[in-house]
Amino acid sequence: EAGVAQSPRYKIIEKRQSVAFWCNPISGHATLYWYQQILGQGPKLLIQFQNNGVVDDSQLPKDRFSAERLKGVDSTLKIQPAKLEDSAVYLCASSSRTGNTGELFFGEGSRLTVL
Amino acid sequence: QKEVEQDPGPLSVPEGAIVSLNCTYSNSAFQYFMWYRQYSRKGPELLMYTYSSGNKEDGRFTAQVDKSSKYISLFIRDSQPSDSATYLCAMSVYNTDKLIFGTGTRLQVFP
Repeated sequence: EAGVAQSPRYKIIEKRQSVAFWCNPISGHATLYWYQQILGQGPKLLIQFQNNGVVDDSQLPKDRFSAERLKGVDSTLKIQPAKLEDSAVYLCASSSRTGNTGELFFGEGSRLTVL
Repeated sequence: QKEVEQDPGPLSVPEGAIVSLNCTYSNSAFQYFMWYRQYSRKGPELLMYTYSSGNKEDGRFTAQVDKSSKYISLFIRDSQPSDSATYLCAMSVYNTDKLIFGTGTRLQVFP
């Protein structure tokens, strides 16, 4: 079974530029998450999708971050304009179920450096 | 006060040692407790999952939850160099998918 695919793996941009990350979840997984992991910290949930609807985006900085999941499969996370503090690894995860299973399958992440 | 506290380490132990990793939490609504392992430049992977107080064993790994003290632990027996990774505790409230992660403890097992 193929895992969660993410691209690009690495991205370096100047502040105020824009960047987009792509995620392809495990086939059949209805729930998709984007997490932000700053160096030395645990992952923090940015947004959760159930199929193509948003379940939780309470911690997404909506003035600069946006995410979509068209057709309930792939997802993109965009940052525009980027700030220095956005330097982090952006992890995509998917799950076949909702509610308290903890069975999230993570991709390898997209590492963003903002200069 | 953070909802979940975890000693960041690093923790360095010889091969074969017993390792104890710990997290404390403040939110008494947490019902589900997990341990994830994250190798360098990789995504976290689920190691253990439990929702009740007490111990749960899986091979060399034992997860322990004490809800009265708001304290969870992961024990690794006969540690191996391949166990070298960052260990993240994670918790969630009943009927939500939102995981709250600790900062992670970096473990190094040397031969």
